[in-house]
Amino acid sequence: KAGVTQTPRYLIKTRGQQVTLSCSPISGHRSVSWYQQTPGQGLQFLFEYFSETQRNKGNFPGRFSGRQFSNSRSEMNVSTLELGDSALYLCASSVGQGEPLHFGNGTRLTVT
Amino acid sequence: GNSVTQMEGPVTLSEEAFLTINCTYTATGYPSLFWYVQYPGEGLQLLLKATKADDKGSNKGFEATYRKETTSFHLEKGSVQVSDSAVYFCALSDPGNQFYFGTGTSLTVIP
Repeated sequence: KAGVTQTPRYLIKTRGQQVTLSCSPISGHRSVSWYQQTPGQGLQFLFEYFSETQRNKGNFPGRFSGRQFSNSRSEMNVSTLELGDSALYLCASSVGQGEPLHFGNGTRLTVT
Repeated sequence: GNSVTQMEGPVTLSEEAFLTINCTYTATGYPSLFWYVQYPGEGLQLLLKATKADDKGSNKGFEATYRKETTSFHLEKGSVQVSDSAVYFCALSDPGNQFYFGTGTSLTVIP
């Protein structure tokens, strides 16, 4: 069974630009979550989608948005990039409530 | 609110030493508890889990027991190897399927 796939692996963007990250969950997993990982803040929860609906949301500004498609694939968008958005963005999928998250290898975003 | 606190790192051990990484949690209700491991350049991998009090999760020689009375889920391994060098995260999930992660503990095992 294929794992969680995130594309691209690396991105370099300039301040003010926008970026879209993609995540394909494990087949059969309907829940997709996004996390931001930085050395200073650790893992911070962005949002969770289930059956195309945002079910939970973390404490991030509106520049961070996401969506989920009918095939459970998810995208995350960050607009008006800031230097502080440089981070590893992790996507995780799960079968459902109380079940473990399965993570992709992440997208490393660098904002210059 | 819900939260996870795990011991600060980094931790450096010699090969075959005993490992304990402490983890305590604060949660309402009955959360599920997890340990994840992250190797350089990779995402987090599930190491073990426990879903109710007194459950013991185990995998690859690692163990952790869900202790409701002390709200703890400490990770242990009897004899670490160089290949165990990684960052370890303790986590809980609440009934709303929201996950809370600790800050991570970096482990380095030297030959």
